[in-house]
Amino acid sequence: ETGVTQSPTHLIKTRGQQVTLRCSSQSGHNTVSWYQQALGQGPQFIFQYYREEENGRGNFPPRFSGLQFPNYSSELNVNALELDDSALYLCASSLGLAGGPSAKNIQYFGAGTRLSVL
Amino acid sequence: DAKTTQPPSMDCAEGRAANLPCNHSTISGNEYVYWYRQIHSQGPQYIIHGLKNNETNEMASLIITEDRKSSTLILPHATLRDTAVYYCIVSAYYGGSQGNLIFGKGTKLSVKP
Repeated sequence: ETGVTQSPTHLIKTRGQQVTLRCSSQSGHNTVSWYQQALGQGPQFIFQYYREEENGRGNFPPRFSGLQFPNYSSELNVNALELDDSALYLCASSLGLAGGPSAKNIQYFGAGTRLSVL
Repeated sequence: DAKTTQPPSMDCAEGRAANLPCNHSTISGNEYVYWYRQIHSQGPQYIIHGLKNNETNEMASLIITEDRKSSTLILPHATLRDTAVYYCIVSAYYGGSQGNLIFGKGTKLSVKP
C-alpha cells in the first residue's frame, strides 16, 4: 500500500464525452504526477502539479487538463474523449523538490483508473 | 524516448537470484538510475535507485558499473510474487516537458516454481 488512492477504479465512456479522474496523494507529499498507460506499453507522462501549479507537461493535447487542490489531491480531466484515450491512468505522488536531488523522482503510484472509451 | 535498453523478458526459478540487466550508455553525470516494477493490473512500485555506488535495501540490490553505462538489479531470492514488469529509468530531471520518469517497455520477469 502506497497511500495513494484513485477513483473510480473502472470507467466506461463514449466517444465525445468528458471524464474526471481523482487522486489522493500520500500524506506529506506536495507533488502529483499523472501518467497514461496503454495496453502493453510503459506509462507515459501527462503532467505534474506542484503546490497547485502545473510544473511540466508531456506530449498530450490541451483537452487533457488537471487541477491540484490545497490538500494536494488532484484531478485529471479529459474532454472530447477519443477511442485512443482508452488506457490505465495512473497518479503518483512524491516529495518533489523537497525530496532532494535523487528522492524527487521517487514516486508512489496508485492502482490506477481503467478508462474504456466506446 | 527512454534512455535505457532492457531485455523484453527473462525467466527465473523460484528461490534463485534474479539478475536483471539494463544498458544506459548515454547516461549523464547528474542522472540517477531508478528501478520500478509493475505487477499485473497494479501501479508501478519503486524498488531502488543509485548514482554510482552499489545500493542495497530490503527489496533488492543495485549494481552500477564503474563507467555507469550499465546496471543490474538483483532480487536475491525470487518468489512467485516477484513476477512483474521491471523498469530501469535514468533521470535527473524534475518537471518540465520531460517530466521526471520516462518509462520504456521494461523486462517481463517470470518466476517459475
